[in-house]
Amino acid sequence: GAVVSQHPSWVICKSGTSVKIECRSLDFQATTMFWYRQFPKQSLMLMATSNEGSKATYEQGVEKDKFLINHASLTLSTLTVTSAHPEDSSFYICSATGQGAGNTEAFFGQGTRLTVV
Amino acid sequence: AQSVTQPDIHITVSEGASLELRCNYSYGATPYLFWYVQSPGQGLQLLLKYFSGDTLVQGIKGFEAEFKRSQSSFNLRKPSVHWSDAAEYFCAVVNQGGKLIFGQGTELSVKP
Repeated sequence: GAVVSQHPSWVICKSGTSVKIECRSLDFQATTMFWYRQFPKQSLMLMATSNEGSKATYEQGVEKDKFLINHASLTLSTLTVTSAHPEDSSFYICSATGQGAGNTEAFFGQGTRLTVV
Repeated sequence: AQSVTQPDIHITVSEGASLELRCNYSYGATPYLFWYVQSPGQGLQLLLKYFSGDTLVQGIKGFEAEFKRSQSSFNLRKPSVHWSDAAEYFCAVVNQGGKLIFGQGTELSVKP
């Protein structure tokens, strides 16, 4: 299947700093990327949907100024957690669909464990 | 609105025993259904999917699932569980906007 690489796999940052998470499709063009947040022992919560070259669409209750999403190319989307606080600590996962991967199937990155101290 | 329900939060089975994880969906049209597995601290891996055609779908790692429209179900099965199958399992449906809607997940523990 298609491969999605997410980096970093874990990160620890201080309160007030910003953290950038990258999501790359390695062998297909990702026309759409999704960003999820997952709390311990819970399901995935969709945060936003990004289409290459356009602004991301955020789900209700997700602060767009806090979670900046950029999808500048067909192989890369980034999520920047701005002015991070301890309550932003979570597991963040991206997924991608697109040409060459089958538009109805989403491929997931490995996830990023963010800890804000 | 589309939704997915996994009634069992946690299931424990003995190694070698059969397994069935339940999934019920709510969707007006013919659904696109998926089962994913997640190991601790990892992303999601696709086990199998149903789009159309044969209602019994074979997946990786010896898993299969059966789509039953009359019951709005897409239960995951495996005839003989291995210790390495211990993980979190998510059922999902693609909604009309192309977004994956996940169930709450079922944690599988395997006893030796």
